[in-house]
Amino acid sequence: GAVVSQHPSRVICKSGTSVKIECRSLDFQATTMFWYRQFPKQSLMLMATSNEGSKATYEQGVEKDKFLINHASLTLSTLTVTSAHPEDSSFYICSARGHRAMGYTFGSGTRLTVV
Amino acid sequence: QKEVEQDPGPLSVPEGAIVSLNCTYSNSAFQYFMWYRQYSRKGPELLMYTYSSGNKEDGRFTAQVDKSSKYISLFIRDSQPSDSATYLCAMSLVLTGGGNKLTFGTGTQLKVEL
Repeated sequence: GAVVSQHPSRVICKSGTSVKIECRSLDFQATTMFWYRQFPKQSLMLMATSNEGSKATYEQGVEKDKFLINHASLTLSTLTVTSAHPEDSSFYICSARGHRAMGYTFGSGTRLTVV
Repeated sequence: QKEVEQDPGPLSVPEGAIVSLNCTYSNSAFQYFMWYRQYSRKGPELLMYTYSSGNKEDGRFTAQVDKSSKYISLFIRDSQPSDSATYLCAMSLVLTGGGNKLTFGTGTQLKVEL
């Protein structure tokens, strides 16, 4: 089945530093990957759609200069949280569309804590 | 008003009970309806998906869609402690292209007790 690997699973960083999160499709090629953010007891909020070889499409209200997305290959998308602040602390999840018609496979998520 | 409404729970049931989880939505253009299960600190995993109205059954799980009422349900029969998780409904306009992004409910936290 389609597997999406996301690293790191959890990261603690100091305020003002940048953090990179990787999302890899292990057994399939993903031309499109999605990045979500989830606060406790809240829904997954789509941040951006990452397209291989082109610029990401950001949802309204998401700062593209703060959340840098790079999708340089068919199996890897990265999300970099730049100049992180405590309010950026959240659970970030990526997903990619696999082989099945509705195969939105999700990564295991990254718990980011900014101190 | 949110596009997708889902009671966050928590919902606590005894082992073996039938669980009913529901979502309502406002956008009548949604055509694809999904249920995801999310364990604590993990990414969601797809349980079931349905196109348009109707029922779909897979083992102990049954998904129902009533587009006329903009209401979807997930039933879990013979619930087990291992079913304890957060269940998220999600829906999309189309499968591919620009309208295929998923809109999620907030998730319902389910606890199945021994």
